[in-house]
Amino acid sequence: NAGVTQTPKFQVLKTGQSMTLQCAQDMNHEYMSWYRQDPGMGLRLIHYSVGAGITDQGEVPNGYNVSRSTTEDFPLRLLSAAPSQTSVYFCASSYSSAVLEGAFFGQGTRLTVV
Amino acid sequence: GDSVTQMEGPVTLSEEAFLTINCTYTATGYPSLFWYVQYPGEGLQLLLKATKADDKGSNKGFEATYRKETTSFHLEKGSVQVSDSAVYFCALRGGYNKLIFGAGTRLAVHP
Repeated sequence: NAGVTQTPKFQVLKTGQSMTLQCAQDMNHEYMSWYRQDPGMGLRLIHYSVGAGITDQGEVPNGYNVSRSTTEDFPLRLLSAAPSQTSVYFCASSYSSAVLEGAFFGQGTRLTVV
Repeated sequence: GDSVTQMEGPVTLSEEAFLTINCTYTATGYPSLFWYVQYPGEGLQLLLKATKADDKGSNKGFEATYRKETTSFHLEKGSVQVSDSAVYFCALRGGYNKLIFGAGTRLAVHP
């Protein structure tokens, strides 16, 4: 089925470990983004990309890196995990940045850093 | 900066009750406004939108009217169902490449 696929669905990390959250879409969307969802704070934008080779910071980029080598994939890297990064992470894609509201969201990755 | 404030939840209702979830915003100009819904275990889905003042967005029995005088975009439904149980997020377009979300309001509907 077409859509946004995130892996893994669940992950537990120790403080200081690194990992990559994967996000892939098969709709040929230009715009992709990563959000984190925390209780009482809604979704906050971490990084986004308006096309292959182009990325930019969102509201809460510290501690995260991204790259966009292909249109389909937009991985999110945690270089040295911290307990403050415990959250649910959502990847989203849309045809372009002009139609953000039509974004498709993945099912989320629940990350716990101990 | 731009921001969205939603009423705190959870909101607990009986089936067929009337629903209102309040949403107010702070922004420069008149941004597009949205309501998203997140069902258990799923990502967010766009529920409805309004792009200018006095517009009414509607979908699946839900409605919201863009009120620039009160900077509000309250979500309403006349008769909720158990299947409406979810988390609802109010959001605005805060610039060319960004959506700004409220904290979310959890709705629980009981038979």
